[in-house]
Amino acid sequence: QKEVEQNSGPLSVPEGAIASLNCTYSDRGSQSFFWYRQYSGKSPELIMSIYSNGDKEDGRFTAQLNKASQYVSLLIRDSQPSDSATYLCAVNNIRTGGFKTIFGAGTRLFVKA
Amino acid sequence: GAVVSQHPSRVICKSGTSVKIECRSLDFQATTMFWYRQFPKQSLMLMATSNEGSKATYEQGVEKDKFLINHASLTLSTLTVTSAHPEDSSFYICSARDPGGANQPQHFGDGTRLSIL
Repeated sequence: QKEVEQNSGPLSVPEGAIASLNCTYSDRGSQSFFWYRQYSGKSPELIMSIYSNGDKEDGRFTAQLNKASQYVSLLIRDSQPSDSATYLCAVNNIRTGGFKTIFGAGTRLFVKA
Repeated sequence: GAVVSQHPSRVICKSGTSVKIECRSLDFQATTMFWYRQFPKQSLMLMATSNEGSKATYEQGVEKDKFLINHASLTLSTLTVTSAHPEDSSFYICSARDPGGANQPQHFGDGTRLSIL
């Protein structure tokens, strides 16, 4: 079992719809959770951080965390073609000597105009 | 937010050349930086963790003598790909952890696209 799992996609949604991206993790002791967006040929860009159970909203983005289910999601409201990218879920786990960030393989999102 | 600068953005060179890539934290001190490699349409692969003032920690399967890492100051880490060959062609990306604490996210440089002819 991978430490951080994401559906590779592609996830295709029409412009204006809500895109829902999901991620599960295996380490119950995971401390913090992040979503990155990576456009083709570019490096990842941090878009959301979440540390406690519940929802966290930032503009059109909402991150949701459920530690009991070991599940974190990202909702993108009013999806735009410019949101088309690969979205990486990342989790910080405690390891000897500090925290280690584990990245999922990413979900490709395609927003159709 | 934290800014990480990576240079150069693109390198094209002949087989056998050694290539140095620089990663700088612009407005904060980073005791730890990370080096990743990403092949087309594949996921990020952590190569090594760069520790200021000490040896880098390499991931399993990454050759230490092939990928030399130097983290000589709190704002600069370098990755040197020694005697590069076509199979080393890839997208190399560095990152540094947000200075807000050990549980903070990583911020990435813009990446270096390396092409070995």
